[in-house]
Amino acid sequence: GAVVSQHPSWVICKSGTSVKIECRSLDFQATTMFWYRQFPKQSLMLMATSNEGSKATYEQGVEKDKFLINHASLTLSTLTVTSAHPEDSSFYICSARGLGGTEAFFGQGTRLTVV
Amino acid sequence: QKEVEQNSGPLSVPEGAIASLNCTYSDRGSQSFFWYRQYSGKSPELIMFIYSNGDKEDGRFTAQLNKASQYVSLLIRDSQPSDSATYLCAVIYNQGGKLIFGQGTELSVKP
Repeated sequence: GAVVSQHPSWVICKSGTSVKIECRSLDFQATTMFWYRQFPKQSLMLMATSNEGSKATYEQGVEKDKFLINHASLTLSTLTVTSAHPEDSSFYICSARGLGGTEAFFGQGTRLTVV
Repeated sequence: QKEVEQNSGPLSVPEGAIASLNCTYSDRGSQSFFWYRQYSGKSPELIMFIYSNGDKEDGRFTAQLNKASQYVSLLIRDSQPSDSATYLCAVIYNQGGKLIFGQGTELSVKP
């Protein structure tokens, strides 16, 4: 299957700072990227969908000014958590889909801890 | 609101038994159905997907889809302790659409 690399795998930051998470498709062109958040013992909740070169579409209840998503190229999407607070601590996972594809391939996830 | 429902479990089966995981979905227009396995602290990994009514087999895994009843299931034959994980059902409404996950079923296979 296709490879999606997510970085960093874990990060600890101070409250009020911003954190950027990168998601790269290594061997295919990711026309669509999905960003999920997963709290302990819960399922993956879709935060937003981004298509290359377009603004991201955010799910209801997700603050677009707090979770900035950029998908400027066919191989890279970034999620920036701005002014992070302890309640933003979670497991963030990206997935990528190529043009015409149905299957989405997942990154390894990023464990964010805000202290 | 498109919803995907699973029993959260935990489901406990003895080693060598068949584990049966079920999932229902609310949107009758859903077209693609996926089963993922997720180990604690890790990202989901795809087990298999199914598009058409009926059964689809891949090794010890069989996915069953019944669009009329809006359910999809996953059977794991000869369950192994290494199969212990959370199993996530996911649904895409249409080509290129969002992948919506159920809450997951925790499976425990006892030696």
